Amino acid sequence: DAGVTQSPTHLIKTRGQQVTLRCSPKSGHDTVSWYQQALGQGPQFIFQYYEEEERQRGNFPDRFSGHQFPNYSSELNVNALLLGDSALYLCASSQPGQVIFGELFFGEGSRLTVL
Amino acid sequence: QKEVEQNSGPLSVPEGAIASLNCTYSDRVSQSFFWYRQYSGKSPELIMSIYSNGDKEDGRFTAQLNKASQYVSLLIRDSQPSDSATYLCAVRLSNSGYALNFGKGTSLLVTP
Repeated sequence: DAGVTQSPTHLIKTRGQQVTLRCSPKSGHDTVSWYQQALGQGPQFIFQYYEEEERQRGNFPDRFSGHQFPNYSSELNVNALLLGDSALYLCASSQPGQVIFGELFFGEGSRLTVL
Repeated sequence: QKEVEQNSGPLSVPEGAIASLNCTYSDRVSQSFFWYRQYSGKSPELIMSIYSNGDKEDGRFTAQLNKASQYVSLLIRDSQPSDSATYLCAVRLSNSGYALNFGKGTSLLVTP
């Protein structure tokens, strides 16, 4: 049973560029959440996708956007990259009907470095 | 007051001892509480969830929840060097919808 998979695992960008990160949820899961984890900090909620819609958004600027596809996979896009966007980006999925309880299963993350 | 607070550590315990990790949260009506383990350079791994007051045991791990005191803890019995990691407390606060609020994590070092 494949877990949550993310790609790419590492990437380096320069300020002002754009990046797209991808996520496939755990088999049987229909909800995808994205979190940003800066060094030495806990993960911070970016947004959650369910039924191809952004269901909830955290305190992140509009430069952060996303998408969910019919197969439940998801993308996170970040435009006009800033140095402060350097972080580990985590995708997490939830079982149908379980998201209300908050139990999340994380992928290995995409480590973004902005120079 | 930060919404979820943890002592950053490091907490150092000898092999075989009990490690006690603590977390406080701001919202008295929160319903869902989680402990994640994160090894250096890796992603968080769910190790315990607890939803009601009292203790919940799973192997060497025990989660303790006291909603009146807004306090959740994780005990690791017979600590092993492989338990050395950062432990993240996560709470689904009543005003956070579907989002989990994480503490900064406590670094645990188990010494042989």
